Amino acid sequence: GENVEQHPSTLSVQEGDSAVIKCTYSDSASNYFPWYKQELGKRPQLIIDIRSNVGEKKDQRIAVTLNKTAKHFSLHITETQPEDSAVYFCAARSTSGTYKYIFGTGTRLKVLA
Amino acid sequence: KAGVTQTPRYLIKTRGQQVTLSCSPISGHRSVSWYQQTPGQGLQFLFEYFSETQRNKGNFPGRFSGRQFSNSRSEMNVSTLELGDSALYLCASSSFGDTEAFFGQGTRLTVV
Repeated sequence: GENVEQHPSTLSVQEGDSAVIKCTYSDSASNYFPWYKQELGKRPQLIIDIRSNVGEKKDQRIAVTLNKTAKHFSLHITETQPEDSAVYFCAARSTSGTYKYIFGTGTRLKVLA
Repeated sequence: KAGVTQTPRYLIKTRGQQVTLSCSPISGHRSVSWYQQTPGQGLQFLFEYFSETQRNKGNFPGRFSGRQFSNSRSEMNVSTLELGDSALYLCASSSFGDTEAFFGQGTRLTVV
């Protein structure tokens, strides 16, 4: 069935270092891959997304890479700051007439000051 | 533009009872999806509605049901509540042709 694996489940980095979170999806029909950030007690919010016709996308300190052949995509955060501390979820979705997202199990990122 | 609104924010119910949760999508959004969030399990897909039709359903028992009204507002119902149903229930809305899902604040359901 459809599945998204996400690693690691927890990640601690020193402020200013980089953080990388990796996801693997199983459904070959997936062609849209968003990343959501969820702060404690708040709703998940989209931070970056990538479509299957693109290999990499950057937005300031955040970047996402996609390897469709290997069914891998990764989130890269550079120059981490304490406010980056949150739970990050990757997701995969087929855009063929459905808005069903399959989410990873989340990564709790702690940025140590 | 108002965001996705879920009511109530918190609920405490007893085992065996039933509960109804409500979700009002962003104005103009016709797709509403529901997710169950539990520690360690992430967000698990419950169902998706578009223009009052259920387009997809996740792997949840029949005790979980939902519907969407003509104004795109959606409700989900859980009957015969079990302790394991305690979770944060999130709904998300999307506009037709757009891919981003906007989440509500969620309803925290506690079953005792």
